[in-house]
Amino acid sequence: EDQVTQSPEALRLQEGESSSLNCSYTVSGLRGLFWYRQDPGKGPEFLFTLYSAGEEKEKERLKATLTKKESFLHITAPKPEDSATYLCAVQARTNDYKLSFGAGTTVTVRA
Amino acid sequence: DAGVIQSPRHEVTEMGQEVTLRCKPISGHDYLFWYRQTMMRGLELLIYFNNNVPIDDSGMPEDRFSAKMPNASFSTLKIQPSEPRDSAVYFCASSLAIGQPQHFGDGTRLSIL
Repeated sequence: EDQVTQSPEALRLQEGESSSLNCSYTVSGLRGLFWYRQDPGKGPEFLFTLYSAGEEKEKERLKATLTKKESFLHITAPKPEDSATYLCAVQARTNDYKLSFGAGTTVTVRA
Repeated sequence: DAGVIQSPRHEVTEMGQEVTLRCKPISGHDYLFWYRQTMMRGLELLIYFNNNVPIDDSGMPEDRFSAKMPNASFSTLKIQPSEPRDSAVYFCASSLAIGQPQHFGDGTRLSIL
């Protein structure tokens, strides 16, 4: 069974203090790894898809990277508006419609 | 572009009542998914449709849950009869194709008293 573990559960940052979120996964043949952002009372908002080890994607202050066992979401010089829960999900080649989600990392950025 | 639209946003009802949740996917998306999110279990896939046909409903918790997609622009998730343990946020998502990102609506927060 596909497993996704995210750490830490919560992260409190000062504005401008860069950090990284971890997503460790076990899947039988990775089709894709997805990062989402979820704000309170909203649905998950798609950020990135990574398909193969070594791949990197960037969007504003966010950068996602992928290895064969984990993915990192780096937040560079965060701002208060980056406060949200960040979810990681994997999609297996054998079950290529299903997203298996991690529990998320809740990031709070203080001004 | 309009995203995935869900209604109602909030639903509070008493145990035993029928509950119907509605979803309009993004136009042109062939895949539609229903998820449930709780603090204990996170996001769980309930059922998914491809071209309006249910493909996998193995995540539907019990026979009290049913889902339909009568056309490409509308789907419903029904719970009958509802129970307090069904309280959760229910999300609908759609995607263009397999392997493509799933785009989520803002969910229905369901409370069964």
